[in-house]
Amino acid sequence: AQSVTQPDIHITVSEGASLELRCNYSYGATPYLFWYVQSPGQGLQLLLKYFSGDTLVQGIKGFEAEFKRSQSSFNLRKPSVHWSDAAEYFCAVGGTGANNLFFGTGTRLTVIP
Amino acid sequence: NAGVTQTPKFRILKIGQSMTLQCTQDMNHNYMYWYRQDPGMGLKLIYYSVGAGITDKGEVPNGYNVSRSTTEDFPLRLELAAPSQTSVYFCATTDIGLGVYEQYFGPGTRLTVT
Repeated sequence: AQSVTQPDIHITVSEGASLELRCNYSYGATPYLFWYVQSPGQGLQLLLKYFSGDTLVQGIKGFEAEFKRSQSSFNLRKPSVHWSDAAEYFCAVGGTGANNLFFGTGTRLTVIP
Repeated sequence: NAGVTQTPKFRILKIGQSMTLQCTQDMNHNYMYWYRQDPGMGLKLIYYSVGAGITDKGEVPNGYNVSRSTTEDFPLRLELAAPSQTSVYFCATTDIGLGVYEQYFGPGTRLTVT
């Protein structure tokens, strides 16, 4: 069965520190992987995506993610966090079908000055 | 380009009332989706549509209905509102036919049923 696990419900980091948000997935075919960010009261915005090719993908706002097939992981990273990065982050996995986009339960990021 | 718009932004319903959540897109995408987001639960797919006149159930369709008469609009209907339907509802679109697999989301509708 398809599923996405984000093991960290809430992470707190200091501004300027590095960040890694974990995502593990279970998917029966070649996965398409996504990270979305949701600011309070807002919809979801796409940060980055992986379909194929280079396993390290760059996204908006200085984020990157690395696809590791052997570990079924797609962790999100940022070398230096800004206060404006405080938000909820969702990992999602899908395929070529119309309906199969599965979301994790999200990780809430708090940034302290 | 407005992208994906949803109305209303907020709504309070009494148990047993009905309402329609509106979703409109100007991206000319064929595929549209309705999700609900509950705290700590991520997003769950309610219904989706691959084009005008075609709809199908997602993971949590009970208590909802949809229709898709045009490419642009995909309304979600709640017939007999229940407290369990208190949630934030998101509409999303994509166009897999053009190789666009990521979904674009509207700003959401926050619904409270009391």
